[in-house]
Amino acid sequence: AQKVTQAQTEISVVEKEDVTLDCVYETRDTTYYLFWYKQPPSGELVFLIRRNSFDEQNEISGRYSWNFQKSTSSFNFTITASQVVDSAVYFCALSGRTTDSWGKFQFGAGTQVVVTP
Amino acid sequence: DAGVIQSPRHEVTEMGQEVTLRCKPISGHNSLFWYRQTMMRGLELLIYFNNNVPIDDSGMPEDRFSAKMPNASFSTLKIQPSEPRDSAVYFCASTVDSSMNTEAFFGQGTRLTVV
Repeated sequence: AQKVTQAQTEISVVEKEDVTLDCVYETRDTTYYLFWYKQPPSGELVFLIRRNSFDEQNEISGRYSWNFQKSTSSFNFTITASQVVDSAVYFCALSGRTTDSWGKFQFGAGTQVVVTP
Repeated sequence: DAGVIQSPRHEVTEMGQEVTLRCKPISGHNSLFWYRQTMMRGLELLIYFNNNVPIDDSGMPEDRFSAKMPNASFSTLKIQPSEPRDSAVYFCASTVDSSMNTEAFFGQGTRLTVV
């Protein structure tokens, strides 16, 4: 069975501080895919990044960066110099390649990020 | 591209009534998912389709829930009869092909309130 754990329920920061969101996953699949989504107060789910299990290169996109470490089954997300507009719930998700997991997105519980001016 | 379109955005209904939620996936996407989001259980996958065929409906809570995808551009999720515990936000999502594990794009959701 697949499992995604986001242990941090809520993180509060002051604008311009960095914030790191933890994501730990469990899977028996040898090939799998990891995702991050953002859910702002308006409610929609916005795709941020997709990473496959064979690509452990870290990625940076503007103020966002992702650290994928297969050895610790973690796919952490950092927002640098946070802004009020970053306030949202962030979800980590996992999708596998076995019969039981194929095509399914297993989401973590989400981490609420609150950025205050 | 218009994105995934869900209707209605909000639905308030009385217990026992039938509720139908609608979804139009992104054109060209072959896989469609229905999710339910609640505070207690987070995002739960209810059912997903590939090429209009239901692949996995193990997440459908009970027989009161049913989903159809009569063609590549339309899907419905029906609850009959509805109960207060069905109150949640229901999301539809589509992806190019679930076998490729590509990212899913979500609609804006339908907030259902059953009183």
